[in-house]
Amino acid sequence: AQKITQTQPGMFVQEKEAVTLDCTYDTSDQSYGLFWYKQPSSGEMIFLIYQGSYDEQNATEGRYSLNFQKARKSANLVISASQLGDSAMYFCAMREAYRRALTFGSGTRLQVQP
Amino acid sequence: EPEVTQTPSHQVTQMGQEVILRCVPISNHLYFYWYRQILGQKVEFLVSFYNNEISEKSEIFDDQFSVERPDGSNFTLKIRSTKLEDSAMYFCASSEAEVLNTEAFFGQGTRLTVV
Repeated sequence: AQKITQTQPGMFVQEKEAVTLDCTYDTSDQSYGLFWYKQPSSGEMIFLIYQGSYDEQNATEGRYSLNFQKARKSANLVISASQLGDSAMYFCAMREAYRRALTFGSGTRLQVQP
Repeated sequence: EPEVTQTPSHQVTQMGQEVILRCVPISNHLYFYWYRQILGQKVEFLVSFYNNEISEKSEIFDDQFSVERPDGSNFTLKIRSTKLEDSAMYFCASSEAEVLNTEAFFGQGTRLTVV
């Protein structure tokens, strides 16, 4: 079974609009962390935002926020006021308690249109 | 801002040859990782390394792979006898700690092409 599922292979959004990138996860651990990374065309992986399983508030970092619905096991990334520079691949990832590895989803390619 | 650096950025090698991918993690980080991403696919965990030993590895990390921290700054991934299917982007990452909320900082990657 997939641990991280990103069902949107590609998304388009108009500049200055908000966009939500979906992520669902599967774990039996009570303690885990969820991460979003951005991968521009240059290839590097850039950390965006983190949500812990015990965090009661949704995480926010500037224009990025995480819509965390624990019961549904979803951790959707919301980008507000999209910019052309937001065009990239976005990966959702999870670290489970007592593991070192990050498990990544298959990614969503976001294209911001002027 | 401190960053993880990887060299080379692109390496082409013949099938069956050995390759060594090099990484310089962020200087105060203690936990090191290698991941790979086959073109167009998801990022996959290979191995984590702490205190001069492997702390976790995936099923991908078989006997043809090895990691080493030969000095105080470098962290290397060796592939002993490369196969065509080893062609991928290889990312080195490091983190300060291994508590859940510690993000891993990734290098820019080494694109390995096996011909």
